[in-house]
Amino acid sequence: QKEVEQNSGPLSVPEGAIASLNCTYSDRGSQSFFWYRQYSGKSPELIMSIYSNGDKEDGRFTAQLNKASQYVSLLIRDSQPSDSATYLCAVNRYTGRRALTFGSGTRLQVQP
Amino acid sequence: ETGVTQTPRHLVMGMTNKKSLKCEQHLGHNAMYWYKQSAKKPLELMFVYSLEERVENNSVPSRFSPECPNSSHLFLHLHTLQPEDSALYLCASSRTSGAADTQYFGPGTRLTVL
Repeated sequence: QKEVEQNSGPLSVPEGAIASLNCTYSDRGSQSFFWYRQYSGKSPELIMSIYSNGDKEDGRFTAQLNKASQYVSLLIRDSQPSDSATYLCAVNRYTGRRALTFGSGTRLQVQP
Repeated sequence: ETGVTQTPRHLVMGMTNKKSLKCEQHLGHNAMYWYKQSAKKPLELMFVYSLEERVENNSVPSRFSPECPNSSHLFLHLHTLQPEDSALYLCASSRTSGAADTQYFGPGTRLTVL
């Protein structure tokens, strides 16, 4: 079982729609969760971080965390073509490994 | 710009060459990281430095040798690489090596080994 699993996609949504990206993780000790966006040929850039169960909103982005079910999701409202990228889910834990464990990413395509 | 720079941005080298990748962060962070990103694979952690001390080596072959002379600079020395080492090498930094601290990535070095 992969430590962090994401559907590779591509996830295709029309412009203006809500894009929903999902991520599951296997380590129950995970405490910190991050969503990064990576454009083709570029490095990952942080979109959001979340640490507590529930929702966290930042502009058009909402991260949702459910530790009991071991999943974290990212919702993008009013999707724009510029949102087309690969979205990486990453998790971390307070003890043991000191760096992020990444999923393989979900490729999002927003159709104009 | 994230405040993390990497040079060179592109590197082509033969299997017998020796080269070095450089990373510099201007954020006042105390932790720095090397990641490898190969096509169709998740980012793989290679090394973690915290306060200039290597705190994690993720079973990386000895042909990759990191160096952290101070908290702002990180190097990855390469020698006798294999074609399968061709990948995007990403440097990142964070305030500390704690789990809650966000990691900021540099633009990466695209390495091709012939």
